Amino acid sequence: AQSVTQLDSQVPVFEEAPVELRCNYSSSVSVYLFWYVQYPNQGLQLLLKYLSGSTLVKGINGFEAEFNKSQTSFHLRKPSVHISDTAEYFCAVSASGGGNKLTFGTGTQLKVEL
Amino acid sequence: DADVTQTPRNRITKTGKRIMLECSQTKGHDRMYWYRQDPGLGLRLIYYSFDVKDINKGEISDGYSVSRQAQAKFSLSLESAIPNQTALYFCATSDSMTGVGQPQHFGDGTRLSIL
Repeated sequence: AQSVTQLDSQVPVFEEAPVELRCNYSSSVSVYLFWYVQYPNQGLQLLLKYLSGSTLVKGINGFEAEFNKSQTSFHLRKPSVHISDTAEYFCAVSASGGGNKLTFGTGTQLKVEL
Repeated sequence: DADVTQTPRNRITKTGKRIMLECSQTKGHDRMYWYRQDPGLGLRLIYYSFDVKDINKGEISDGYSVSRQAQAKFSLSLESAIPNQTALYFCATSDSMTGVGQPQHFGDGTRLSIL
């Protein structure tokens, strides 16, 4: 079984500042990793994914994440945030050969302030 | 994402009532999923279906049932609703035909309140 930990339930940050949202996972098999964003009253939208290859993955809206196998982490970063980035962010993992079933973290609410 | 449509978007009902949430997709994906979202708990998998004849329980299936009427339709039923089933419910799809690790695509959710 897999598990995902997002230690920060809320992250406040000022506009144009950098941000990092942390994600750690646990699994006994190889995994695929995802970050999703949820804007108010909407479903989840894929930001980026790591399947294999380069450990630095770039996504939409200027976000990127780095896969670190030794630390079992997949932290999400953005060098300069905007008000429009205010949303809830979910890290998720699926096991290789697991049929695309996702295990989600509990989410991190990013609040960007002026 | 209009490719995955959930109905209704909002529903208020009473304890003991039978409720059906519907999901339809135009993406042509073979796999469909139902999740519930609760504050502070993230999303948890209720049921998933890899094909019309392949339905499986997720981590929190008790009190729920599903039906895959066609490849494009996957409905979730609460036979006798109880207040702790109050939550935001999401349907999602994925495509097994385009390779491994394919992401899931989500509907806009159904907000269900049980009084």
